[in-house]
Amino acid sequence: GAVVSQHPSWVICKSGTSVKIECRSLDFQATTMFWYRQFPKQSLMLMATSNEGSKATYEQGVEKDKFLINHASLTLSTLTVTSAHPEDSSFYICSARGPNSGTYAYNEQFFGPGTRLTVL
Amino acid sequence: GEDVEQSLFLSVREGDSSVINCTYTDSSSTYLYWYKQEPGAGLQLLTYIFSNMDMKQDQRLTVLLNKKDKHLSLRIADTQTGDSAIYFCAESILSNDYKLSFGAGTTVTVRA
Repeated sequence: GAVVSQHPSWVICKSGTSVKIECRSLDFQATTMFWYRQFPKQSLMLMATSNEGSKATYEQGVEKDKFLINHASLTLSTLTVTSAHPEDSSFYICSARGPNSGTYAYNEQFFGPGTRLTVL
Repeated sequence: GEDVEQSLFLSVREGDSSVINCTYTDSSSTYLYWYKQEPGAGLQLLTYIFSNMDMKQDQRLTVLLNKKDKHLSLRIADTQTGDSAIYFCAESILSNDYKLSFGAGTTVTVRA
C-alpha cells in the first residue's frame, strides 16, 4: 500500500513552453502532497505544500506564478512549470502524506519516482 | 534551525558493515528518517526512529540516536552491492508542520 506515481517520468520541452507534472496517490487519499526539486548530486529542496481544496503554500524563494500547483482531488496534485527555461531543468519529486494509522510513521511521506525535466 | 548534515561519500567492501552518520540542529525533532535513493528514482523510506528512542533495529538496519549530541547513524550489516545508493537523513518537527528537512545525502559505494 501507500504507492505514489508521477507522470511523466521524463519530459523534454522547448524554452518558453509550459509543462504539467502529475502526482497521484494510488491506494490512499492524501490531503497533503509536497513538491520537491532535486539538482544533480544534491538534496531535495521543498518547493511547496499542496493541500486539497485550498491554495498551495510555497517555500521562500519559490515563484508561485512560475510553479503552479493544483490539488483538485484527494488523489491528484499537479505541478505546472510555466514558460520553462533551461534553468528549470531538474528532477522534480512529489510526495504524499500518508494515513496516520497502522504501521506508518506519524505524518510519513510517500514519494513518487520523480520526473526528469529538460528544457532546451 | 533545521540544518541536517551528512558526510557525502562512503566506500565499503561487500560483506562489511556500513555506518552513515548524520547530525541535526533542531532538538524538537519528532521523527528522524533514513531514505534510500537509487539512480533516477524517488526516495524509499528505509526506517525511522521517534525522538524518544535510542535505538531501532530492523533486519540488517540499525539506527542509533544520540539526542544529547543530536547525532543519528544508520548501520547496514553485511552490505551488499544492491545497497549502493544515496542515503538521506531527514527530520520532521512539529513547529514546521512535520515537513521534512533533508541532509545532502551520503553516496554509498559497495565494492566487491
